[in-house]
Amino acid sequence: GAGVSQSPRYKVAKRGQDVALRCDPISGHVSLFWYQQALGQGPEFLTYFQNEAQLDKSGLPSDRFFAERPEGSVSTLKIQRTQQEDSAVYLCASSRIRYEQYFGPGTRLTVT
Amino acid sequence: ILNVEQSPQSLHVQEGDSTNFTCSFPSSNFYALHWYRWETAKSPEALFVMTLNGDEKKKGRISATLNTKEGYSYLYIKGSQPEDSATYLCASEGGSEKLVFGKGTKLTVNP
Repeated sequence: GAGVSQSPRYKVAKRGQDVALRCDPISGHVSLFWYQQALGQGPEFLTYFQNEAQLDKSGLPSDRFFAERPEGSVSTLKIQRTQQEDSAVYLCASSRIRYEQYFGPGTRLTVT
Repeated sequence: ILNVEQSPQSLHVQEGDSTNFTCSFPSSNFYALHWYRWETAKSPEALFVMTLNGDEKKKGRISATLNTKEGYSYLYIKGSQPEDSATYLCASEGGSEKLVFGKGTKLTVNP
């Protein structure tokens, strides 16, 4: 079946622009996670949804970052007023049960 | 806060060599240890998830072991092939289900 998809795959934004990154999880997966991988680092947790409820947003680096999953399926990560330090690969993962997370290919964001 | 460390950072081997990587993690509040393989421009692919001390998992030429008491896991690749070239990530899962990743080991297998 289809895996986790993310769009766009690549995004170049000028500093100060707003961006929206989309994640389509595997159908039926209850949990959805966002991670950020900066250059030379491992992926770092941003936020977690169970259905439409955002249960943990402790990893969001600033109030410029906002995530939603209004119908418990597709999720959008929005970054307002992008800064150069936001340049990273943004990974989305979904899961049906504990101990499994299936990842999408990521969105590579470059802020110039 | 969990800190996961991986070594080496990068590794170059010849086709046919066997190799191994290390992942160390805090043993407190431990639920599971994940290994992923991530090829450029693709999705990270789950290799193994291990939960119990002493767990050993195998998939083809790749195997992994887990020691939760001392907080480390090893990933072994037997007879490396060029298609094994990728970044290998380990991640620790605690009570909250979020994964804490190491920085990865980048493996290059030369033909």
